[in-house]
Amino acid sequence: QITLKESGPTLVKPTQSLTLTCTFTGFSLTTSGVGVGWIRQPPGKALEWVAVIFWNDNKYYGPSLTSRVTVAKDTSGNQVALTLTNVDPADTATYYCAHTTYDSGPHPVDIWGQGTMVTVSS
Amino acid sequence: EIVLTQSPGTLSLSPGERASLSCRASQSVSGRSLAWYQQKPGQAPRLLVYGASSRATGIPDRFSGSGSGTDFTLTITGLEPEDFAVYYCHQYVTTPRTFGQGTKVEIK
Repeated sequence: QITLKESGPTLVKPTQSLTLTCTFTGFSLTTSGVGVGWIRQPPGKALEWVAVIFWNDNKYYGPSLTSRVTVAKDTSGNQVALTLTNVDPADTATYYCAHTTYDSGPHPVDIWGQGTMVTVSS
Repeated sequence: EIVLTQSPGTLSLSPGERASLSCRASQSVSGRSLAWYQQKPGQAPRLLVYGASSRATGIPDRFSGSGSGTDFTLTITGLEPEDFAVYYCHQYVTTPRTFGQGTKVEIK
């Protein structure tokens, strides 16, 4: 059974950096084809693709965040970290991590974590 | 970047009625790499359909997806009370992956 859980600060001040961790079970990022994506959702708004990292360390970022976001994996610990620098109140959102795969073609994110709400405010 | 436009923004229907949700892409979504998610308040999205028309595990057959190229549809045949929610389409063929802005299906 695949599970994912996000963790990190709930309140961050503007201009600071935000680091969120996704801890997962039921799969490993050392397995060919496996990936973990990050998606965020501001309150009352739509889903926004943030980033994805695959088993081979390929990473892809959403265009509006490319200059401020990085994603990294810790294969031994089954964790993925998302770092967002120079945060702004517009980064206030629920952040989700989710499982995906890429084998003989791309697959959508299928299993999601519960999400973690982050507020950016002074 | 592929922009997905969903319509209508809100659909007001009664239980038992049929819902038809549209998702239009700014360019062709090759390989029919289009998914649909359902999201209820306070919950993470749930995958309903992938590959434009394949139901995810455990999804009732009243949910069906269709379409190709730039035009896709999610149909819910016979709305159940638990189906009133927000629905998002999502393309995963190109990076960045993108989502539509959502369609809310509400009780009339």
